[in-house]
Amino acid sequence: SQKIEQNSEALNIQEGKTATLTCNYTNYSPAYLQWYRQDPGRGPVFLLLIRENEKEKRKERLKVTFDTTLKQSLFHITASQPADSATYLCALSRETGANNLFFGTGTRLTVIP
Amino acid sequence: GAGVSQSPRYKVAKRGQDVALRCDPISGHVSLFWYQQALGQGPEFLTYFQNEAQLDKSGLPSDRFFAERPEGSVSTLKIQRTQQEDSAVYLCASSLGQGEEKLFFGSGTQLSVL
Repeated sequence: SQKIEQNSEALNIQEGKTATLTCNYTNYSPAYLQWYRQDPGRGPVFLLLIRENEKEKRKERLKVTFDTTLKQSLFHITASQPADSATYLCALSRETGANNLFFGTGTRLTVIP
Repeated sequence: GAGVSQSPRYKVAKRGQDVALRCDPISGHVSLFWYQQALGQGPEFLTYFQNEAQLDKSGLPSDRFFAERPEGSVSTLKIQRTQQEDSAVYLCASSLGQGEEKLFFGSGTQLSVL
């Protein structure tokens, strides 16, 4: 069956440290993978997109890697802040050319001051 | 509009009632998606439109769920004879429809079936 798994339901880290979230998938051949942030009572908000031919993408304190051999993406937040506390979702297309996205279960990150 | 708008924000229904959830996408966005999100879970894909054409409805859980987008803009998700397991947040998202692009989400409709 097709699965998108994120490493843990919840992750607590100390302010200033780097948070690393994992997204693993099976039975998908995505052309790209995306990461979203979701705050309570709100819809997900897009953060980053990485394509299958890209190993790494950065945006300010965010970094995403994509390993199509391992079928895994890592999402890093450096110098984490309490305002980074939210649920982070990975999402990917089922196959090249598909526009609809399928989401992982999400990881709830709490940054402790 | 400035963003994706969904209404109502909250809906309480008695089991067996029909409900209709509305999504107003960003103006000019060709693609529209519906997702169902249970508490503590990620969004689950329901269905996808390109303009008025429903290209994928494989995620609709049963024939009680029906979605339409007759003029390629506003979309309605209808659930007939609601059941308790339908209780969830229903999210709508839109995009330009050019492929490999981010989705813009509304805040969702929280449906509670009693």
